[in-house]
Amino acid sequence: EVQLLESGGGLVQPGGSLRLSCAASGFTFSNYVMCWVRQAPGKGLEWVSSISASGASTFYADSMKGRFTISRDNSKNTLHLQVNTLRADDTAVYYCARGQSAGASDYWGRGTLVTVSS
Amino acid sequence: QPVVTQSSSASASLGSSVKLTCTLSSGHSSNIIAWHQQQPGKAPRYLMKLEGSGSYNKGSGIPDRFSGSSSGADRYLTISNLQSEDEADYYCETWDGKTRVFGGGTKVTVL
Repeated sequence: EVQLLESGGGLVQPGGSLRLSCAASGFTFSNYVMCWVRQAPGKGLEWVSSISASGASTFYADSMKGRFTISRDNSKNTLHLQVNTLRADDTAVYYCARGQSAGASDYWGRGTLVTVSS
Repeated sequence: QPVVTQSSSASASLGSSVKLTCTLSSGHSSNIIAWHQQQPGKAPRYLMKLEGSGSYNKGSGIPDRFSGSSSGADRYLTISNLQSEDEADYYCETWDGKTRVFGGGTKVTVL
């Protein structure tokens, strides 16, 4: 059974940093693109970033470039998202998702809540 | 990069059918899309991948009540025999080589 379990969220002050993690199991992690998608309270889904199966290529939404860094450790089946200089509008549930070879996000984690507030 | 547009809401009676639309932007009318369901308070769940030909592949455990179809730049999700648990937000997703994009979502209300 495919499982994705996010962690690392919490309450952080504006300007602070967080490292989110996603532990994957039930599939060959190193064969799949992985993504982060976020959802602000009461809002829709917003793609944040994707990383290739090997980790060699990374992609970001334009509004995320510069403060967000996606990475993966295929030896530990783990995906990460480093977020720096957090702002109030970064408050959201952050989901990790597995990407099919044809592109669709076919499995989702339960998400981790990031709250940016003083 | 592609843009996908969805109507904000739809409603239908219990046991009836509802058809949701996802429209691809100009230049991306042949894109494959995915449909996702998000029930209140839960994570999104992948429903299906849908091609421009109308061919679709559903995720594991998705009921037969869910089907997809296409016409030009429009991609459709039809839910037949609507159940109370189908009351949810539905999102379409598409992608190119470097980016992904989600529609704004359609809130389905079961009357």
